[in-house]
Amino acid sequence: AQTVTQSQPEMSVQEAETVTLSCTYDTSESDYYLFWYKQPPSRQMILVIRQEAYKQQNATENRFSVNFQKAAKSFSLKISDSQLGDAAMYFCAYRAAQGGSEKLVFGKGTKLTVNP
Amino acid sequence: DTGVSQDPRHKITKRGQNVTFRCDPISEHNRLYWYRQTLGQGPEFLTYFQNEAQLEKSRLLSDRFSAERPKGSFSTLEIQRTEQGDSAMYLCASSADYGDFYEQYFGPGTRLTVT
Repeated sequence: AQTVTQSQPEMSVQEAETVTLSCTYDTSESDYYLFWYKQPPSRQMILVIRQEAYKQQNATENRFSVNFQKAAKSFSLKISDSQLGDAAMYFCAYRAAQGGSEKLVFGKGTKLTVNP
Repeated sequence: DTGVSQDPRHKITKRGQNVTFRCDPISEHNRLYWYRQTLGQGPEFLTYFQNEAQLEKSRLLSDRFSAERPKGSFSTLEIQRTEQGDSAMYLCASSADYGDFYEQYFGPGTRLTVT
């Protein structure tokens, strides 16, 4: 079974600084998707960024970028120029490629605090 | 369309009672998912529908849990004979069957407290 591990229960960053959240996963599949979701306090979960395993290029969405190391099964999220609105729980998630299970497998999350 | 909606947002019930939650997906989405999130944990998959067909169920979905999506639109999740361990946030998500990765859009969740 696939598993996702987030080893940092909590992280903090100063406003305008950069922070990196870690995620490792375990799978025997060669094709899959990886995601980072953001869950602000009392608000719904939203997708931040995704990575297709067959793509070597790391995904980037504005201030958010990933470092995808397929051989190491590592998928970290870098947030640049952190803003107060980035404060939230961040979840790393795995999903099989099309044709496989559509369920998302989540890690336990990392609580990010942004200090002014 | 304002996104995935869930009702109620909060539910407090006594142990042994039955509860039912409703999820309305984004209107053009034919896939619907239920997840459960306990305190300090990430969401855990419960079940998934494509249109009205329930295609995947987790082992977490015990005999006391049942989910339906009768007309391929909204879905209900019923928990019978609730237990304190059922206290959690129940999340619904939906996705369309176009695009290359079927992004799941989440609702605000229903928080269940069993006393």
